[in-house]
Amino acid sequence: DQQVKQNSPSLSVQEGRISILNCDYTNSMFDYFLWYKKYPAEGPTFLISISSIKDKNEDGRFTVFLNKSAKHLSLHIVPSQPGDSAVYFCAASALSGGGADGLTFGKGTHLIIQP
Amino acid sequence: DAGVTQSPTHLIKTRGQHVTLRCSPISGHKSVSWYQQVLGQGPQFIFQYYEKEERGRGNFPDRFSARQFPNYSSELNVNALLLGDSALYLCASSFLPNTEAFFGQGTRLTVV
Repeated sequence: DQQVKQNSPSLSVQEGRISILNCDYTNSMFDYFLWYKKYPAEGPTFLISISSIKDKNEDGRFTVFLNKSAKHLSLHIVPSQPGDSAVYFCAASALSGGGADGLTFGKGTHLIIQP
Repeated sequence: DAGVTQSPTHLIKTRGQHVTLRCSPISGHKSVSWYQQVLGQGPQFIFQYYEKEERGRGNFPDRFSARQFPNYSSELNVNALLLGDSALYLCASSFLPNTEAFFGQGTRLTVV
């Protein structure tokens, strides 16, 4: 049973436009969410996180939105650049519960930025 | 500052053998976690250690074990290797458990 779902295996966006990556979760105990970017043959790179007490967090070109009632979060990248082409993973944890289960990851979305 | 370092980067083992993977966290980080990633999937949680104590364990068989040393480095051990253990093994360190975790480049284990 997948607790974190990224329903789009791939997404193609034109350079300079906005990339929107989506993530849904089912576990209501999750209260901390993270996005990672991964290039082939490298470990995941932390991008941005958000606590459940917020609904938006911004860091440069990256913004994460959290809709707790819908159990949905999204990552916006504006403007998209060629170097953003990578696999993006959504992850969640139950921080207030002690976080004994580590981070739970989705399957990832492969973002392709077209020139 | 050095990031998370893992060794070795690649490893080929035969079924039934055992393997030890090593991880050095970012300086100042006291939490180390291990993840397994197979092709087409996200990383799957194996173990979490904080202040040298096991804080959590994922749904993996007892063939998998780990420990954290006084300098906060960590080892992941897998006994009686199976073909299905072939995967990328990732180590992550963080200041506190389950906050922003920073990953190493991983160890690619191939079991033949």
